[in-house]
Amino acid sequence: KAGVTQTPRYLIKTRGQQVTLSCSPISGHRSVSWYQQTPGQGLQFLFEYFSETQRNKGNFPGRFSGRQFSNSRSEMNVSTLELGDSALYLCASSRAGYNDEQYFGPGTRLTVT
Amino acid sequence: QKEVEQNSGPLSVPEGAIASLNCTYSDRVSQSFFWYRQYSGKSPELIMSIYSNGDKEDGRFTAQLNKASQYVSLLIRDSQPSDSATYLCAVGGSNDMRFGAGTRLTVKP
Repeated sequence: KAGVTQTPRYLIKTRGQQVTLSCSPISGHRSVSWYQQTPGQGLQFLFEYFSETQRNKGNFPGRFSGRQFSNSRSEMNVSTLELGDSALYLCASSRAGYNDEQYFGPGTRLTVT
Repeated sequence: QKEVEQNSGPLSVPEGAIASLNCTYSDRVSQSFFWYRQYSGKSPELIMSIYSNGDKEDGRFTAQLNKASQYVSLLIRDSQPSDSATYLCAVGGSNDMRFGAGTRLTVKP
């Protein structure tokens, strides 16, 4: 069974720009959660989507948004990029939600200059 | 107080020894508990999940959960150099998933 895939793997953007990251979950998984990982803050929960609906959201500004499509693929968007948004963005998929076993993708390394 | 705290590392054990990793959490209504392993430059990899009090064993790994003490641990028996990684404790609550800062484990040959 194929694992979680994320595209692109690396991205360099300039402050003020926006970016869209993509995540394809494991086949049969309906939940996709997004996380931000930085050396200073560790792994932080951004939001979770299940069957095209956002079920939960972490403590991040509204510049961070996402959506999920009918095939469970998910996208995350960050608008008006700031230097502090430089991080590894990880998505994780599961059958039932973040309280179920989650499997992480390889991540997208975003650098904001 | 951090919501998910892990014992500060780094932790170093000799090959073949037992490595003990600990985690405490503050949210009493937490429902799910996970241990992930993360190699440098890689994404987290699920090792164990545990949902009820007691022990759960999977190969060389044993997870222990004590909800009354708000404590979860991971034991790695017969530690191997390939176990050298950062271990992340994750706790699922009613609204989100919280991760500890991780404990870096080094297994010396």
